[in-house]
Amino acid sequence: DVKVTQSSRYLVKRTGEKVFLECVQDMDHENMFWYRQDPGLGLRLIYFSYDVKMKEKGDIPEGYSVSREKKERFSLILESASTNQTSMYLCASSLYPAVPDAFFGQGTRLTVV
Amino acid sequence: GNSVTQMEGPVTLSEEAFLTINCTYTATGYPSLFWYVQYPGEGLQLLLKATKADDKGSNKGFEATYRKETTSFHLEKGSVQVSDSAVYFCALSDPRNSGNTPLVFGKGTRLSVIA
Repeated sequence: DVKVTQSSRYLVKRTGEKVFLECVQDMDHENMFWYRQDPGLGLRLIYFSYDVKMKEKGDIPEGYSVSREKKERFSLILESASTNQTSMYLCASSLYPAVPDAFFGQGTRLTVV
Repeated sequence: GNSVTQMEGPVTLSEEAFLTINCTYTATGYPSLFWYVQYPGEGLQLLLKATKADDKGSNKGFEATYRKETTSFHLEKGSVQVSDSAVYFCALSDPRNSGNTPLVFGKGTRLSVIA
């Protein structure tokens, strides 16, 4: 079974802090994704990566950056956290673009105070 | 880009009732279509998928048929159980200029099944 692991289930950070959300997958998948989930808005794509050191903006990239130094690890960075970034963050991976089935981690609930 | 519209919830049903959750999509080309389920406190799990028109995806008693003529992928189950209580997301693969196809999700439909 594919396993996607997010480093924290819950995080509380202060406004202005730099925040790192870490995600690791163990199935040698090419693609990795970061989504945020908000009530009434569903899942929205922040960034994705299709190879090491490669990244592509999703639909709501503002206020975020990402890093993929190794194939199995994909980090989401909030350069200066703000209260409107309080949300559930979901990491996912998929094998290839032609096989877009995504496998998800359990999520990180981030609260910015 | 491509998009998904699914019926708003919450949906509340009695055990053994018939379930339909509507999903329609807007797409150029021929995306793959998916249903994901999120149980309380967990991440999303793939429930079923269909990759071309008239395909039927099925799993755990749930079914959905890829209808190109009506651009729909409605989720159905003949007899729901309390354990089916969850949030259900319809999704499609959305080609980008780079050739990648991340999934685009609907807003989710919360299902509550009462005994």
